This record gives sequence, C-alpha cells and structure tokens, in this order.
Amino acid sequence: KNEVEQSPQNLTAQEGEFITINCSYSVGISALHWLQQHPGGGIVSLFMLSSGKKKHGRLIATINIQEKHSSLHITASHPRDSAVYICAVRGAGGSNYKLTFGKGTLLTVNP
Amino acid sequence: AAGVIQSPRHLIKEKRETATLKCYPIPRHDTVYWYQQGPGQDPQFLISFYEKMQSDKGSIPDRFSAQQFSDYHSELNMSSLELGDSALYFCASRGSGRALNEQFFGPGTRLTVL
Repeated sequence: KNEVEQSPQNLTAQEGEFITINCSYSVGISALHWLQQHPGGGIVSLFMLSSGKKKHGRLIATINIQEKHSSLHITASHPRDSAVYICAVRGAGGSNYKLTFGKGTLLTVNP
Repeated sequence: AAGVIQSPRHLIKEKRETATLKCYPIPRHDTVYWYQQGPGQDPQFLISFYEKMQSDKGSIPDRFSAQQFSDYHSELNMSSLELGDSALYFCASRGSGRALNEQFFGPGTRLTVL
C-alpha cells in the first residue's frame, strides 16, 4: 500500500465547478505539499501545510493531522487549471526533508 | 525572485551514453534534492545533499552519481544509459530559517534515451 493515497485518480469538470482532491497518508508527517504539474512540464509548489488551512486565489488547502488527511479545493474552476495535482509528504523525525509523493490526480476542466 | 534552475531542459541520448544534469538552487539554499519521474509514474527520491555532503540516498542506481559543489549547485551524472532511464529529472532546493520545511522545485530536465 502506498504511503500516500490520492483520490480521485482522474477528475473531469465543467468550467466554474468546485473541485476537491483528497490525500490520505499513513505515516506521521511534519509537512504536506500540494504540487501542480502540467503535461510534460515541471512541478510547481502550490502549498506547504503543517496544520489548518491555506488559501491562495481560487485555491484552498486544508489538513487534518489527526485524521492524516488533506484536501485541495479549487473554486470557480477554469480550463487552465487542467493539470496533475500531486500530494507529497515529508516524514516526521529526521527524515531529511525528502518527500514521498502520491500518484497524482489528473484534472481536466472543460470549457 | 530567483528560482531553481536546471539545465539542460531537454536531453536526448543513445543507450550506453553518459549524461550530466545540473541543478542551481535558489541563492543561499544549502540543500538540494534530486527526484526521478518516469512516464506516468509518481516522482521517486534519488539523492540529496546538504552543505556539499550527501545527506540521504534513495532509489538511485549505481550507474548514477551526484555531487554538490562549493557554490551549492549540484550535478547528477548518469552513465551506461538505459532506455528505462528516460524520465523527467527534477531537483528541489531548501534553505535554512523560516522556510525550513519548504522545498522549491526546478522545472526539470526531460531525458530521452533512444
């Protein structure tokens, strides 16, 4: 079983819809990243969370440490949001900050 | 603000050739991580350096080596290339201080082995 599980694997939405992508992890962590990757492109860090909630524009990320769960929300989705969204965690306690990645969620937003 | 720079952005090599990938961290960042992302795969940690010393090692083949130089840039050297080495290789850098946890990612080098 992967240490980091994302759902759904694929998500298709219509422009304007509210989108939620979920991430569950099985290990203790000290931080969680939400990353965005466009097809064939590099990785962009959207958020780094260790507790609570963060908001940037139309993007909101939340984390519940007790439940080992995080969500990424996109409000008023737009076709340019189409990308792979990856959840990555940094372990707790001397893990040298290296990240363990989920398999990603492919989001397609249709106009 | 300066970001993580990687070069080259694209590289095409033949089997059994060698390749060198470079990563230039954000200024004053002292830690560099290398990740490999195969086609349709999630990224896998390869190796990391802190203050020019190897700090951790992941699933890096023996054919690969890496180092961090005095200016903190890092190079990933890949020898006897195989078709399965075709992947996106990206690096991330991290600094000390308030942003201790956060890694900043480079755009990646897409390596194609023919």
